[in-house]
Amino acid sequence: EVQLLESGGDLVQPGGSLRLSCAASGFTFNNYPMNWVRQAPGKGLEWVSSIGGSDESTYYADSVKGRFTISRDNSKNTLYLQMNSLRADDTAVYYCVRRGSGWGPIDYWGQGTLVTVSS
Amino acid sequence: EIVLTQSPATLSLSPGERATLSCRASQSVRSLLAWYQQKPGQAPRLLIYDASNRATGIPARFSGSGSGTDFTLTISGLEPEDFAVYYCQQRSSWPLTFGGGTKVEIK
Repeated sequence: EVQLLESGGDLVQPGGSLRLSCAASGFTFNNYPMNWVRQAPGKGLEWVSSIGGSDESTYYADSVKGRFTISRDNSKNTLYLQMNSLRADDTAVYYCVRRGSGWGPIDYWGQGTLVTVSS
Repeated sequence: EIVLTQSPATLSLSPGERATLSCRASQSVRSLLAWYQQKPGQAPRLLIYDASNRATGIPARFSGSGSGTDFTLTISGLEPEDFAVYYCQQRSSWPLTFGGGTKVEIK
């Protein structure tokens, strides 16, 4: 069974930093691209970032480019999102999301971790 | 950036009725469109991928159609558990984008 368990969400002040983690199990982690998708309170879904299975390629939404960094440790089956220079509009539930192999469709979602940016 | 426009924003129906949800893309996404269902307090769940393929474990009452710029999700007979928000999403080009969602509520 595919499982994605996010952690690291917290209350942080504007301008601060936070690192999210996602522990994956139930599948061969390095075979799959991984992603972060967020959802602001009461709003829709927004793709944040993606990374290839072997860490060879990364992609970012314009809204986070230069501030967020996606990475993965395939030896630990873990995905990360380093978030710097956080702003109030980064407040959201952040979901760890798997894509099918070969950049297929998003097929599994974690339960999400809440990031709140506020003074 | 490909913009996905979902309509209607809200659909008020009774159990047993047929639901028809629309997703229109600002440019062709070929057939690289998926549909997700989200219930309050839960993560989204994949229903349909590549426009018309049901994901594992999804009941046959859910069907998808379309290609290019116009797509439809049909729920042939609403069950109580189907009242939720539905999102379309394209993977044809970066950035990945989602539609704004359609809420299917009980009439």
